[in-house]
Amino acid sequence: DGGITQSPKYLFRKEGQNVTLSCEQNLNHDAMYWYRQDPGQGLRLIYYSQIVNDFQKGDIAEGYSVSREKKESFPLTVTSAQKNPTAFYLCASNIGTRGMNEQFFGPGTRLTVL
Amino acid sequence: AQSVTQLDSHVSVSEGTPVLLRCNYSSSYSPSLFWYVQHPNKGLQLLLKYTSAATLVKGINGFEAEFKKSETSFHLTKPSAHMSDAAEYFCVVSDVYTGNQFYFGTGTSLTVIP
Repeated sequence: DGGITQSPKYLFRKEGQNVTLSCEQNLNHDAMYWYRQDPGQGLRLIYYSQIVNDFQKGDIAEGYSVSREKKESFPLTVTSAQKNPTAFYLCASNIGTRGMNEQFFGPGTRLTVL
Repeated sequence: AQSVTQLDSHVSVSEGTPVLLRCNYSSSYSPSLFWYVQHPNKGLQLLLKYTSAATLVKGINGFEAEFKKSETSFHLTKPSAHMSDAAEYFCVVSDVYTGNQFYFGTGTSLTVIP
């Protein structure tokens, strides 16, 4: 089965800790994205990557970091600098044809800061 | 600049009655438009997409949408609501000039009353 996997499904973090959310795809897609979802605010773009070893900041990149060392993997680290990290995080991928094809989404990770 | 406005944050319908979820977009050139559905604590699933082919687009689960360039609209409809349609719906726009970025509306929560 082709698709996107995210792990873990639920994640709890103490204040001051960094945590890393995993995102893997086997769709052979070039582009990958991280979104944050808060109630009533839709999806906001954190980072995106169009190709291996390259990524760009989205609208709310502060307090987050990413890497794209492999085509199939795009992990997101939530650092202690992120003031309000409790949210639902969604990873997506896209074949990379300048917006003409849809994004595919993972099942999400719910992060809670204790 | 690209943007999406979902005109209703909440819509309630009775089971068996028609569904209308409204979406207006702003795009500099020929847009690609998408509707996604999200059930609680899940990822987003594509319902349908418009990418400059037929203006009336049919999707999964009986949903369809019509692209109206003169009105800059892409409203989602279904003739008869089912209980399983209760979910959050997102309208998304992209075009070849957005660098493979996607712009999300804030979502419409659909309630289906038995």
